[in-house]
Amino acid sequence: QKEVEQNSGPLSVPEGAIASLNCTYSDRGSQSFFWYRQYSGKSPELIMSIYSNGDKEDGRFTAQLNKASQYVSLLIRDSQPSDSATYLCAVPSSGGYQKVTFGTGTKLQVIP
Amino acid sequence: EPEVTQTPSHQVTQMGQEVILRCVPISNHLYFYWYRQILGQKVEFLVSFYNNEISEKSEIFDDQFSVERPDGSNFTLKIRSTKLEDSAMYFCASSLDSANEQFFGPGTRLTVL
Repeated sequence: QKEVEQNSGPLSVPEGAIASLNCTYSDRGSQSFFWYRQYSGKSPELIMSIYSNGDKEDGRFTAQLNKASQYVSLLIRDSQPSDSATYLCAVPSSGGYQKVTFGTGTKLQVIP
Repeated sequence: EPEVTQTPSHQVTQMGQEVILRCVPISNHLYFYWYRQILGQKVEFLVSFYNNEISEKSEIFDDQFSVERPDGSNFTLKIRSTKLEDSAMYFCASSLDSANEQFFGPGTRLTVL
């Protein structure tokens, strides 16, 4: 059973601070990693994908990947109240990539 | 911007009844998926579909479930005889390639009474 682990939170940060969200995964062969944002009662919305070790930046978001440590993280700079949501780490299986295992998600609360 | 659509947004049914959930994936995407999310729990993979056949399925996707692409645009999930524990949000997703990002529809909330 492939596992994706996240701290469920809630993670509370003040507005304007950096929020750091972490995820570990068990499938050593996984090659791609995704971060989704899910507002309460809504569907997951893709915000970042990362395929190579290192950092990938997109606006206020930075994804970091360390395959040796089986660790992927998401940094949100200048956090806004609208960033308050649950952040889901998603990892496709190493076999055919189509079966995606989601973590339980980390609930982020940005306090004005 | 193209998006995945799902109908209905909410389906209420009696235990033992059949339900069909419908999805229209993004038009140039080739891979289609169904996920479910029981209230307060994580998103769970059910099945992936490519080239008119199931390519992967989870242990949740038992004989009560089936998927179909009846025409060039729709992708459906059928639950033959619903159980109380089938109550959940069902999300359809699609991707251009097997390794690409998956884009989710808004979901269908299924309530089994």
